[in-house]
Amino acid sequence: GAVVSQHPSWVICKSGTSVKIECRSLDFQATTMFWYRQFPKQSLMLMATSNEGSKATYEQGVEKDKFLINHASLTLSTLTVTSAHPEDSSFYICSAPTGPSTDTQYFGPGTRLTVL
Amino acid sequence: GENVEQHPSTLSVQEGDSAVIKCTYSDSASNYFPWYKQELGKRPQLIIDIRSNVGEKKDQRIAVTLNKTAKHFSLHITETQPEDSAVYFCAASISGGSYIPTFGRGTSLIVHP
Repeated sequence: GAVVSQHPSWVICKSGTSVKIECRSLDFQATTMFWYRQFPKQSLMLMATSNEGSKATYEQGVEKDKFLINHASLTLSTLTVTSAHPEDSSFYICSAPTGPSTDTQYFGPGTRLTVL
Repeated sequence: GENVEQHPSTLSVQEGDSAVIKCTYSDSASNYFPWYKQELGKRPQLIIDIRSNVGEKKDQRIAVTLNKTAKHFSLHITETQPEDSAVYFCAASISGGSYIPTFGRGTSLIVHP
């Protein structure tokens, strides 16, 4: 099946610093990728839709200036958490469909962010 | 927009019993309904899906049923095993990779040996 990777798998940073998370589709091209945030024992909360070559579409309530998304190539999307605060600590997961007409979402392994 | 309700939030069963998780959706345009299994600290993985032109689909011990009229779909796991313990998410979307799936809140399934 299709493979989506994420890097890093976990990161600890100090409050006020920025953290970049990468999401890669390893064996397919993804014009669209989705970024989710997941709190312990809760569902996946969609943060934004990353579109290759254009601006990301953010969900209501998600600060675009705080969560910067860049989809510079057909296999890479990045999420940068700027000026991180402890409340940004969470599990961040990306997903991608294998094509514009396919339905199955393949998820990355997730990144555990802890902000001290 | 779409709204997906999932019940129960927690389900505890004995090994060998059956488990049923139910979801309802609100948007009649939704036509693709996947189920994901997420083990602790890991990625969600697709375990089965169903489209609106089918009423039931089965894969070994797992089956999904869909009632389009009532806008609800269910996951059935028979002969549960301890390794089935995980969080299960239902989702609803419109077919096509660019359509965003709406997820249910998840069901924590615990299978006691």
